[in-house]
Amino acid sequence: DAGITQSPRHKVTETGTPVTLRCHQTENHRYMYWYRQDPGHGLRLIHYSYGVKDTDKGEVSDGYSVSRSKTEDFLLTLESATSSQTSVYFCATSGQGITEAFFGQGTRLTVV
Amino acid sequence: GQQLNQSPQSMFIQEGEDVSMNCTSSSIFNTWLWYKQDPGEGPVLLIALYKAGELTSNGRLTAQFGITRKDSFLNISASIPSDVGIYFCAGQEGVTSGTYKYIFGTGTRLKVLA
Repeated sequence: DAGITQSPRHKVTETGTPVTLRCHQTENHRYMYWYRQDPGHGLRLIHYSYGVKDTDKGEVSDGYSVSRSKTEDFLLTLESATSSQTSVYFCATSGQGITEAFFGQGTRLTVV
Repeated sequence: GQQLNQSPQSMFIQEGEDVSMNCTSSSIFNTWLWYKQDPGEGPVLLIALYKAGELTSNGRLTAQFGITRKDSFLNISASIPSDVGIYFCAGQEGVTSGTYKYIFGTGTRLKVLA
């Protein structure tokens, strides 16, 4: 298994508060991704990174921002959490020349 | 945004039966991937397909990369209770631009009745 750690694993937060989820990898993979998983929608790409400080938007990026200051860490920030952002969030990584994306264990976020 | 259409959405089958599911896209992909997700876990890769028309097996699993490069199929033979889970297809894009994105399907939830 690729060494991907997501933190926290569970979080409950109030509407309007900022929230940051962290993804840490020990595989030195170049590419990192944040997905959200919701019933009936599968996995939808929020943001991704193709190198340190190189990030781009995915299909559902509104209300989210990311940062990647070093290879190992990719942070996802909900600037002002809303109930529609209640979801399970997955981080994934992939290496140069590697086809497979490896996933973390997920973070279950509830916005009340 | 783009998302792959996966069918069926869910299946209840008897142990020992064969299972088929498919995935279609409006775009061409150069690589198709099939993942399985167990409850409470992240998805894990089952099979990767790299060429149009390719047929690849992994134990009881067989997957095919469609000729049009816009679809893929996954078959599971002689299902067992541990096959329960959600199966996702995924297409990889952005290879030539070096951005490497993975677009996932909506998932097929499989339940096996013993």
